[in-house]
Amino acid sequence: KNEVEQSPQNLTAQEGEFITINCSYSVGISALHWLQQHPGGGIVSLFMLSSGKKKHGRLIATINIQEKHSSLHITASHPRDSAVYICAVRSAGTASKLTFGTGTRLQVTL
Amino acid sequence: DVKVTQSSRYLVKRTGEKVFLECVQDMDHENMFWYRQDPGLGLRLIYFSYDVKMKEKGDIPEGYSVSREKKERFSLILESASTNQTSMYLCASRVHGLAYEQYFGPGTRLTVT
Repeated sequence: KNEVEQSPQNLTAQEGEFITINCSYSVGISALHWLQQHPGGGIVSLFMLSSGKKKHGRLIATINIQEKHSSLHITASHPRDSAVYICAVRSAGTASKLTFGTGTRLQVTL
Repeated sequence: DVKVTQSSRYLVKRTGEKVFLECVQDMDHENMFWYRQDPGLGLRLIYFSYDVKMKEKGDIPEGYSVSREKKERFSLILESASTNQTSMYLCASRVHGLAYEQYFGPGTRLTVT
């Protein structure tokens, strides 16, 4: 079993829909990251969080430390949100190493 | 803005060749990383470096080596490329410490034939 599990693996939505991507992990962590990867490969960091909730524009990330679970929400989705979204965790006690989920491929259509 | 650059976006090499992948960051970050990304497996850490001349093996170091002679540059070396090293290679850097995010380069898609 992977330390970081994402669901769903693939997601298709229509423009305007509210989207949720889930991430569950099995180890104690010091931080969780949400990353976005567009076709072509470049990865951009969206959020880094260790508790509660963060919001940036139409993106919201939440984390429940007790349940070892995080969600990434996209409100009013748009075709430009089409990308792979990756969850990564930094295990407690490891200052630099991240463990990555396999990603959720999101396609937003008109 | 932090910038992480990689020497090539696409590379095709033959089995047995020695391959160098270069990564340069312009923000004086202490930590640098090399990952490979394969379908269904996500990103896996090959090597990382805490600082100049310091390196540590990641989860899949076999068949690879690294060099960090200057703070801004981290090189990944495939001593004798094999077809199972065909992959997307991503470099990243960050400030050392718990509260800092990683910044990724654009990736190099390497094909070994």
